[in-house]
Amino acid sequence: AQKITQTQPGMFVQEKEAVTLDCTYDTSDQSYGLFWYKQPSSGEMIFLIYQGSYDEQNATEGRYSLNFQKARKSANLVISASQLGDSAMYFCAMREWGSARQLTFGSGTQLTVLP
Amino acid sequence: DAGVIQSPRHEVTEMGQEVTLRCKPISGHDYLFWYRQTMMRGLELLIYFNNNVPIDDSGMPEDRFSAKMPNASFSTLKIQPSEPRDSAVYFCASSARLAGAGTDTQYFGPGTRLTVL
Repeated sequence: AQKITQTQPGMFVQEKEAVTLDCTYDTSDQSYGLFWYKQPSSGEMIFLIYQGSYDEQNATEGRYSLNFQKARKSANLVISASQLGDSAMYFCAMREWGSARQLTFGSGTQLTVLP
Repeated sequence: DAGVIQSPRHEVTEMGQEVTLRCKPISGHDYLFWYRQTMMRGLELLIYFNNNVPIDDSGMPEDRFSAKMPNASFSTLKIQPSEPRDSAVYFCASSARLAGAGTDTQYFGPGTRLTVL
């Protein structure tokens, strides 16, 4: 079974608008962490934001926020005031604390910001 | 501070040749990871090290792949002999161990794009 599911292969958003990228996860661990990475066309993987399973508040980093709904096992990324430079592939990832230190990645969402 | 450094950034080789990819983790990080990214399989972990010791190599595709970490600031991933299906982007990432269940964010290098003809 997929541990990380990103159901939106591609998304479009108008510049300056907000956009939500979906991520659902599957784990039986109580302790885990959720990460979002951005991969622009140049290819590098850029860390954006982290949410721990015990964190009571949603994580925020500048224009990025994570809408964490633990009971629904979802960790959606919200980008406010989209910019042209936000056009990229976005990956959701999970690390389960009870197991190995590896990250399990979703299949990604290609975001295109329209001028 | 410098991020994770990988070399070369691009590698084109012919089938059967040996390929060596290099990685320098962020100073002070004690975990190092090698990932491979392909269109078909996405991002998958190949192997990771803790304090220079390989911990989990279950993702290494086959015996043609080997990885070493002779010291805290250097790791190599070697493919011998290379095959066209090894063509992919290979990422190195590093992280620091933190007490408790805190974040141990993995920071990625720029990747090596390998093409095997």
